[in-house]
Amino acid sequence: AQSVSQHNHHVILSEAASLELGCNYSYGGTVNLFWYVQYPGQHLQLLLKYFSGDPLVKGIKGFEAEFIKSKFSFNLRKPSVQWSDTAEYFCAVYYGGSQGNLIFGKGTKLSVKP
Amino acid sequence: GAVVSQHPSWVICKSGTSVKIECRSLDFQATTMFWYRQFPKQSLMLMATSNEGSKATYEQGVEKDKFLINHASLTLSTLTVTSAHPEDSSFYICSARDEGRSYNSPLHFGNGTRLTVT
Repeated sequence: AQSVSQHNHHVILSEAASLELGCNYSYGGTVNLFWYVQYPGQHLQLLLKYFSGDPLVKGIKGFEAEFIKSKFSFNLRKPSVQWSDTAEYFCAVYYGGSQGNLIFGKGTKLSVKP
Repeated sequence: GAVVSQHPSWVICKSGTSVKIECRSLDFQATTMFWYRQFPKQSLMLMATSNEGSKATYEQGVEKDKFLINHASLTLSTLTVTSAHPEDSSFYICSARDEGRSYNSPLHFGNGTRLTVT
């Protein structure tokens, strides 16, 4: 069965540190890839998405992600985190075209120390 | 770990019929569950927040009478698509948080339901 793996359950960083959150998926066909963020007390918000084209995708708030097809990966990065980036981050993969399914990773909780 | 079970995983129904989708928290209680839908080439869309023992909170543009949500117990929320039409064909997914642990506990997603209306 298809799956999405997020490698870290909880990441703790100091402000200005660089961030990279791993995401790997198992499906070998065409996929749409997403990173979502949930800030405390808020709903899921789309950070960025990849459908096709340039594998380096830039999202909101300085986040970016790189799709590496050969590695089935879509890691999220940010050069310098801020305290306000403290949140839960979810990688999601949509596969299967018009009759497809969406699978979420288990999420990574990011805590940024001021 | 905590699991959210969603049933059925896929369903095909005729236009005009109603379909019920269940979302269960298997080993924790959830006063709040969330219902989303996903269209191809789009991002996830929050439909409504299901609140145990009270009315659901619907997002703007989501028809309350069409997408009926019932959250009768702390472990079960249901979404009923009434008088389904082909444009309701989509992927529906629920999520819930184990609030019994802390407000900061992980968010868990169901495996989703692929609805096809013919």
